[in-house]
Amino acid sequence: KAGVTQTPRYLIKTRGQQVTLSCSPISGHRSVSWYQQTPGQGLQFLFEYFSETQRNKGNFPGRFSGRQFSNSRSEMNVSTLELGDSALYLCASSPRTGLEQFFGPGTRLTVL
Amino acid sequence: KNQVEQSPQSLIILEGKNCTLQCNYTVSPFSNLRWYKQDTGRGPVSLTIMTFSENTKSNGRYTATLDADTKQSSLHITASQLSDSASYICVVNNDMRFGAGTRLTVKP
Repeated sequence: KAGVTQTPRYLIKTRGQQVTLSCSPISGHRSVSWYQQTPGQGLQFLFEYFSETQRNKGNFPGRFSGRQFSNSRSEMNVSTLELGDSALYLCASSPRTGLEQFFGPGTRLTVL
Repeated sequence: KNQVEQSPQSLIILEGKNCTLQCNYTVSPFSNLRWYKQDTGRGPVSLTIMTFSENTKSNGRYTATLDADTKQSSLHITASQLSDSASYICVVNNDMRFGAGTRLTVKP
């Protein structure tokens, strides 16, 4: 069974731009969670989607948003990028909320 | 204050040696505890998961222990290999309370 895939793997943007990251969960998994990982803050939870509905949300500003499609694929959008948004963005999927999550390889976002 | 504390922050050992990483948590109620291995620039990969009733679980050269009374867990790595160089992250419960991780470097 294929694992979680994330695209793109690397991305360079400038301040003020917006970016969209994509995540395809493991087949049959309906829950997708997003995390931000930085050297200073470690792993931080952004939000979780299940059946196209946002179930949980971390403590991030409204510039960070997401959505989930009927095929469980998910996208995360960050608007008005700031230098501090430079991070590894990880997506994780699970069959449903509350079960073990499997991580994708991440998207490395650099904001210049 | 983080509810999941890991120690040491970083560790350097020689290939073939054993090491033990620590995770202390204050999360309550407790459901489960996972250890993940994360290679640089990659996503975390699950090593072990333990519930309240389990006190030890092995995955090859990795053995995790859990003391739910003292709220402590350890990850023991036996006969370390260069490929063990990575960050090891302790995660408590299904709502994913993360520790800051321990950065392990194995040198030849």
